[in-house]
Amino acid sequence: DTAVSQTPKYLVTQMGNDKSIKCEQNLGHDTMYWYKQDSKKFLKIMFSYNNKELIINETVPNRFSPKSPDKAHLNLHINSLELGDSAVYFCASSQWRSTGNTIYFGEGSWLTVV
Amino acid sequence: AQSVTQLDSHVSVSEGTPVLLRCNYSSSYSPSLFWYVQHPNKGLQLLLKYTSAATLVKGINGFEAEFKKSETSFHLTKPSAHMSDAAEYFCVVSDQSGTYKYIFGTGTRLKVLA
Repeated sequence: DTAVSQTPKYLVTQMGNDKSIKCEQNLGHDTMYWYKQDSKKFLKIMFSYNNKELIINETVPNRFSPKSPDKAHLNLHINSLELGDSAVYFCASSQWRSTGNTIYFGEGSWLTVV
Repeated sequence: AQSVTQLDSHVSVSEGTPVLLRCNYSSSYSPSLFWYVQHPNKGLQLLLKYTSAATLVKGINGFEAEFKKSETSFHLTKPSAHMSDAAEYFCVVSDQSGTYKYIFGTGTRLKVLA
């Protein structure tokens, strides 16, 4: 069973479109994240939810909107896609404040905006 | 504030020779430290983690890292490189100070020469 799964894995779309990436974790964790990896492989946190509450909201355009319907799901919706949004988006989860709080990552969603 | 510095953006070694990937951290609290590996077009896999137990941490695939508080370092080593080790390696810090953040280094690309 996949611990953190995200869909779709590959997404090619035109500028101006709206798209969503879905993420689910079956590890029973209370905290989920979205990270963005740019073309230089740099990983930067975008959002984090703890028990469905938004706790990290980095400097991200308003076009990006996360939604956490429950602790096991964290979706990312992107409006009016731009060329610069092309990147790999990783979903992750962890159990905060537990010993050995490893963060587990999904396989990534490769977004290409043309 | 937490931060991580990976001192080398690229490291090249010959197959069968030792690997050293350097990481320095800054944290106001007792940190948890991790090394992750990312193979081309793949997700992030945990190699090993330090969480205030033994300072010498052994991970998967023969990798290990030593936590040195006095030097604020957490360097990754492997006695003998294999071709399959060629990948991007990330050093990560979290300090559970309430920021709920895992901070990534900028990555080190390991190249293994035949």
